[in-house]
Amino acid sequence: EVQLLESGGGLVQPGGSLRLSCAASGFTFSSYAMNWVRQAPGKGLEWVTTISGSGGDTYYADSVKGRFTISRDNSKNTLSLQMNSLRAEDMAVYYCAKGGVGSGYYNCFDYWGQGILVTVSS
Amino acid sequence: EIVLTQSPGTLSLSPGERATLSCRASQTVSSNYLAWYQQKPGQAPRLLISFASSRATGIPDRFSGRGSGTDFTLTISRLEPEDFAVYYCHNYGSSPHTFGQGTKVEIK
Repeated sequence: EVQLLESGGGLVQPGGSLRLSCAASGFTFSSYAMNWVRQAPGKGLEWVTTISGSGGDTYYADSVKGRFTISRDNSKNTLSLQMNSLRAEDMAVYYCAKGGVGSGYYNCFDYWGQGILVTVSS
Repeated sequence: EIVLTQSPGTLSLSPGERATLSCRASQTVSSNYLAWYQQKPGQAPRLLISFASSRATGIPDRFSGRGSGTDFTLTISRLEPEDFAVYYCHNYGSSPHTFGQGTKVEIK
């Protein structure tokens, strides 16, 4: 059974940093791209970033480029998101999501974690 | 960037009725890389359909997807009580990934 468990969320001041983690199990982690998708309170879904199965390729939404960094540790089946220079508009539930087929960017998201709330407020 | 526009915004139906949800893209979705997700309050999205018409594992056959190019449809043939939720379409065939704004299917 595929399981994705996010951690690391919480309250941070504008301009601050936070690191999210996602522990994966139930599949061959290194064979699949992984993603972060966020959802602001009462709003729709927004893709944030993708990392290929090997970790060699990363992709970012323009809204987070230069501030967020996605990484993975295939030896520990762990996905991470380092978020710097946080803004009020980054406040959202952040979901870790597994890529559907193979290790590349062009995949739907077939399994999702339960989500973790990031609150940006002074 | 491909913009996905979902309609209607809200669909008010009774259990047993048929639901038809639309997702229109501002440009052709490459290789029909179009997915549909269901999201219930307080829960993560769940994949229903990928490649425009392929049901995900464990999804009941009352859910079906069709379409190509710029026009896509999700149909729920007979609404069950557990189907009342918000539905999102998702373009994953081009960069960046984009989502529609969602259609809420509510109980009439």
